[in-house]
Amino acid sequence: EIVMTQSPATLSVSPGERATLSCRASQSVSSNLAWYQQKPGQAPRLLIYGASTRATRTPARFSGSGSGTEFTLTISSLQSEDFAVYYCQHYNNWPLTFGGGTKVEIK
Amino acid sequence: QVQLQESGPGLVKPSGTLSLTCAVSGGSISSSNWWSWVRQPPGKGLEWIGEIYHSGSTNYNPSLKSRITISVDKSKKQFSLKVRSVTAADTAVYYCARIVGCTNGICLYYFDYWGQGTLVTVSS
Repeated sequence: EIVMTQSPATLSVSPGERATLSCRASQSVSSNLAWYQQKPGQAPRLLIYGASTRATRTPARFSGSGSGTEFTLTISSLQSEDFAVYYCQHYNNWPLTFGGGTKVEIK
Repeated sequence: QVQLQESGPGLVKPSGTLSLTCAVSGGSISSSNWWSWVRQPPGKGLEWIGEIYHSGSTNYNPSLKSRITISVDKSKKQFSLKVRSVTAADTAVYYCARIVGCTNGICLYYFDYWGQGTLVTVSS
């Protein structure tokens, strides 16, 4: 099983600032990585797939990068609606696994 | 627009069987997609449970494989989850979700549509 590790667990950022979230895989997952955003009481929402391709309706301020074992999700200028928990998920093989999440909170 | 809706009991007794159904609307259950279950214990992260194709082929999380069954009913456009011998550790919000699947030999197993989720509590 591939273990996905996200850091930091909590990120405190002021509105308008840049946020950088990290996701590390215990072995290479190539570019088979997705990012999701989850707000309280809601289902996760797909943001990024293929490590760097924005999903439909994902704003351009969200960008993904990386391949192999190291990945980054960057939010260029945080808006109020971006404060949420973010999860990475690999789909290189089975079982599909998620990272533990990074909570982006208002500083 | 694909929509997924979970249904089932919100309370299950320990050692019993958890049974949930996911209704699919706005799209075909017989497309190239896979149909999956993901759960989230209160205050914790996401765990993939398993998935099914319209043909009935399944993939299960090894950590749960001995206790789960996922099935599909194409005529009703729904798929279902059963978890046997439940304990308090199975208390979670259970989501059904669509996996993109394979097209033209390219397989993408990320989740593009999700249901709203349903909380299942295991308690006597």
